[in-house]
Formats: sequence, C-alpha cells, structure tokens
Amino acid sequence: DAGVTQSPTHLIKTRGQQVTLRCSPKSGHDTVSWYQQALGQGPQFIFQYYEEEERQRGNFPDRFSGHQFPNYSSELNVNALLLGDSALYLCASSLSRTEAFFGQGTRLTVV
Amino acid sequence: QQPVQSPQAVILREGEDAVINCSSSKALYSVHWYRQKHGEAPVFLMILLKGGEQKGHEKISASFNEKKQQSSLYLTASQLSYSGTYFCGTRLVEYGNKLVFGAGTILRVKS
Repeated sequence: DAGVTQSPTHLIKTRGQQVTLRCSPKSGHDTVSWYQQALGQGPQFIFQYYEEEERQRGNFPDRFSGHQFPNYSSELNVNALLLGDSALYLCASSLSRTEAFFGQGTRLTVV
Repeated sequence: QQPVQSPQAVILREGEDAVINCSSSKALYSVHWYRQKHGEAPVFLMILLKGGEQKGHEKISASFNEKKQQSSLYLTASQLSYSGTYFCGTRLVEYGNKLVFGAGTILRVKS
C-alpha cells in the first residue's frame, strides 16, 4: 500500500501565476481533503472532495479550486498566486468519517 | 470551530509523562491525534469516536469526554522519538466529514 502520495514535493512560482498540485489517496479511500499549513501553524482546511464533488469548504477565496477524478485522485488549483500563498499544502484521504492519513505535502514558495 | 489545545509547549526528560489537552465548544463526533516532525507531514496516532470506540497507537493512550467535548492525549515514559508537534483534529456532529485542527502543542523530549 503506497499510502497517500502528492506531487510535486517542492515548487517555486512567481506572483500572479497559477499552480496545480496533485494527490493520490490511500487505496480504498474515497474522500480527499486539502489543507494549507503555514510555518508554525496547524493545517487549515481548504476543501473536501467526495464522489467527484466539493462537499465542504473552508475560508479560502475562489482562487482555490479543486477536482476529484473517478479514481478518487484529486487536484488543487490556485490562481493568481500571492506571496501569502507560500505554505505546505497537505492532502489527506479517508474513507467516510474514519481516520484520515496525510501525504508528504507539497512545499509551495511564491516569489 | 477550531479546537483549543493546551499547553502550547512542553519540555520533558526521557521517561517522564505528559498530557496534552484538546477542547471544543461544539458537539464532537470524533477526535483525531497527529504528531508532526519538522519538515514532515502529520502522522496519524489515534482516533476517538463518539460512543467510545478508539483506534490507534500501541504506546500512546487518549481519552474522550463527550459531555465536556474534551480529549486528552497521554504520553507515558516518553522517548526522544516522541518529540514533535502534536495536533488534535475534530469532526463535529453537525459539520459532516470536515476535520479541523488546533494550533498544536510542541513537545520536546531531552536526554
């Protein structure tokens, strides 16, 4: 079991650009959640996907969007990048309301 | 909705015990505990479900007081490897599958 995998591991982008992050959930999991973690803080919930639909959303602007594919993998897209978007982006997968497992994260740096 | 963790930080010597607390102002469906080491993703430790079911780590225990919406993580006979930041995540009864994290408790174990 490969667990939750994310790509890429590191990324450097310029302000105003767009970025796409990818996540493959743990085998058997159908729910994918995305989190943003700034240095020294806890993970902040961005949104959650289940059955290819966004089911819940945190307090993030519409610049943050996502998608879930039929194989349960997911993408996080961020448009018009700001310096403040620099963070560790974490994907977590779960099966319904059971325990969630995190991927290793994507470190995004906006310059 | 964010749970409140205490203490913010604690320093122990090897072999000492520690308790980390997590509380919510809303009715909880489940409490999830994670440990995160610097530069790594959070690692799942334990889940405590409404109704008493628990799943998780062999050497770490936790409690869940459903009436008070509080959970405590007990680290006994601490080892150097226990160092890291501990996060509690909570799923509310009324908010579906969304997992919201506290600000974290930094634990440092010294030899």
